[in-house]
Amino acid sequence: SQTIHQWPATLVQPVGSPLSLECTVEGTSNPNLYWYRQAAGRGLQLLFYSIGIGQISSEVPQNLSASRPQDRQFILSSKKLLLSDSGFYLCALNNYGYTFGSGTRLTVV
Amino acid sequence: GQQVMQIPQYQHVQEGEDFTTYCNSSTTLSNIQWYKQRPGGHPVFLIQLVKSGEVKKQKRLTFQFGEAKKNSSLHITATQTTDVGTYFCAGGGFQKLVFGTGTRLLVSP
Repeated sequence: SQTIHQWPATLVQPVGSPLSLECTVEGTSNPNLYWYRQAAGRGLQLLFYSIGIGQISSEVPQNLSASRPQDRQFILSSKKLLLSDSGFYLCALNNYGYTFGSGTRLTVV
Repeated sequence: GQQVMQIPQYQHVQEGEDFTTYCNSSTTLSNIQWYKQRPGGHPVFLIQLVKSGEVKKQKRLTFQFGEAKKNSSLHITATQTTDVGTYFCAGGGFQKLVFGTGTRLLVSP
């Protein structure tokens, strides 16, 4: 079965520091992968999606970037975090419904 | 761009009461999916509807896709405390989904 691994579960970072969140997938090959962000008590905002290695589509221009260096690896990055980057970051893959990872709660202080 | 709205935003019911959340899209959808997110957790896929007017049931949950494929509903009969969470609809093509704003359900024993 397909599984998604995300880490860390929680993260507290100072403003201006860099960020790297990693998502890895098992049990499937060439998946469509997605990064979503959820603000506290809010809906899910699509940030990036990727249909293959090196292919990234950005949905919302902002302080973040994404990369897909390997088929089953999707990375979300920032060079300098802003307070507004705080939120719950979720990686997902698409296979008759999205399967989400357990997410990373990021607090920028 | 495509927008998906849900009402109500929040509902608090007594255990045993029924609950319904409604989902409305600004554009015609190829399919509609429903997800449940428990407090502190990640969204979990419940079901997908594809056909106009389609109705599907999962135990106490009934999902309906509108005839015009622009709206959908989720009805829970005789709620239980385990139904607590936020319910999201999501619509769109294969490559990416647009999530609704969500309905948060609280059930009191």
